[in-house]
Amino acid sequence: DVKVTQSSRYLVKRTGEKVFLECVQDMDHENMFWYRQDPGLGLRLIYFSYDVKMKEKGDIPEGYSVSREKKERFSLILESASTNQTSMYLCASSIMGSLHSYEQYFGPGTRLTVT
Amino acid sequence: DAKTTQPNSMESNEEEPVHLPCNHSTISGTDYIHWYRQLPSQGPEYVIHGLTSNVNNRMASLAIAEDRKSSTLILHRATLRDAAVYYCILRGNEKLTFGTGTRLTIIP
Repeated sequence: DVKVTQSSRYLVKRTGEKVFLECVQDMDHENMFWYRQDPGLGLRLIYFSYDVKMKEKGDIPEGYSVSREKKERFSLILESASTNQTSMYLCASSIMGSLHSYEQYFGPGTRLTVT
Repeated sequence: DAKTTQPNSMESNEEEPVHLPCNHSTISGTDYIHWYRQLPSQGPEYVIHGLTSNVNNRMASLAIAEDRKSSTLILHRATLRDAAVYYCILRGNEKLTFGTGTRLTIIP
């Protein structure tokens, strides 16, 4: 079974702190994604990466950065956490390939609260 | 990105079929129709996808209108474990753009 794991299920941080969210996948997938999920807004793509050291902005990249030093690991960084970044963060991975075929596999999510 | 429209919520009785509709009138010729679902306290999971023809897998069936402007996800015999939010997504590249989906409630 494909497994996508995230470093924490719940995280509480203070405003202004630097926050690292880690995601690891064990299926040698090329693509990795970070989303945030908020009530009434659904899932929104923050950043994605299609290869080591490669990244592309998603729909809401402001206030976030990412790092992909190894194929299996994709980190989301909040340089200076703010209360409006309180959210559920979901990581996903997929095979790179033809446009339609490959589903994304999601991790369980990290619920981040910034106080 | 082309937009999808789904009802906010639906209810169905256990062990009966469920038809979840999705409208996507601005779909382009190369967009695939994907369905994901999200069970409580979990990340989304893939259900099914298709382009033009109807599709079946072990989880569900996908019926696609001839003009491709709408589709229907069919759960043949709903169980309590099918209670989830179901997302209909048009996919033209590596990204998935999620809407707010349909919250399906199963009545025992």
